[in-house]
Amino acid sequence: ETGVTQSPTHLIKTRGQQVTLRCSSQSGHNTVSWYQQALGQGPQFIFQYYREEENGRGNFPPRFSGLQFPNYSSELNVNALELDDSALYLCASSPGGGSGHNEQFFGPGTRLTVL
Amino acid sequence: QQQVKQSPQSLIVQKGGISIINCAYENTAFDYFPWYQQFPGKGPALLIAIRPDVSEKKEGRFTISFNKSAKQFSLHIMDSQPGDSATYFCAALDYGGSQGNLIFGKGTKLSVKP
Repeated sequence: ETGVTQSPTHLIKTRGQQVTLRCSSQSGHNTVSWYQQALGQGPQFIFQYYREEENGRGNFPPRFSGLQFPNYSSELNVNALELDDSALYLCASSPGGGSGHNEQFFGPGTRLTVL
Repeated sequence: QQQVKQSPQSLIVQKGGISIINCAYENTAFDYFPWYQQFPGKGPALLIAIRPDVSEKKEGRFTISFNKSAKQFSLHIMDSQPGDSATYFCAALDYGGSQGNLIFGKGTKLSVKP
């Protein structure tokens, strides 16, 4: 059974650019959540996708957007990058039904640095 | 507004000792409380979780104690080992409109001295 994978591992962008991060969910999981983890902080919920639809969103501006594909993999897109967007971006998958009661399993994350 | 407060920020324990990390929450609608372990450069790994209908859950050396009336829960690591040195996060599930919205504490950095 393959766990949650994310790509790329590291990414360096400049302010104003756009970035796309990718996540493959664990086998059998149809729900993907994205979190932002700033240095020394706990992860903060960005949004969740279930069956290709957004299923909840945290306090992040619209320039953070996402997609989920029929194979349940997901993308996080961030437009007009700001310095404060520098963080570890984590993807978590869960067995789904859109229920938050299912355990969420995290990938290794993508470290984004905005210069 | 921090909905889950975690303490202490850092903790040093001798090998074989008991590590205790505490969390308090505000939202009485929370109904799922997991603990995650994170090593540097890695994603958080689920350790153990509890629901508010039980007061304690034990898995190996890890125990969650839950006090619903006080809105507090804690992680106890028995016989702490150097390999347990990591950052630990408590979390709570906001089952409101966002069904997957885990609310995390700020983390506790645990160092277990040999």
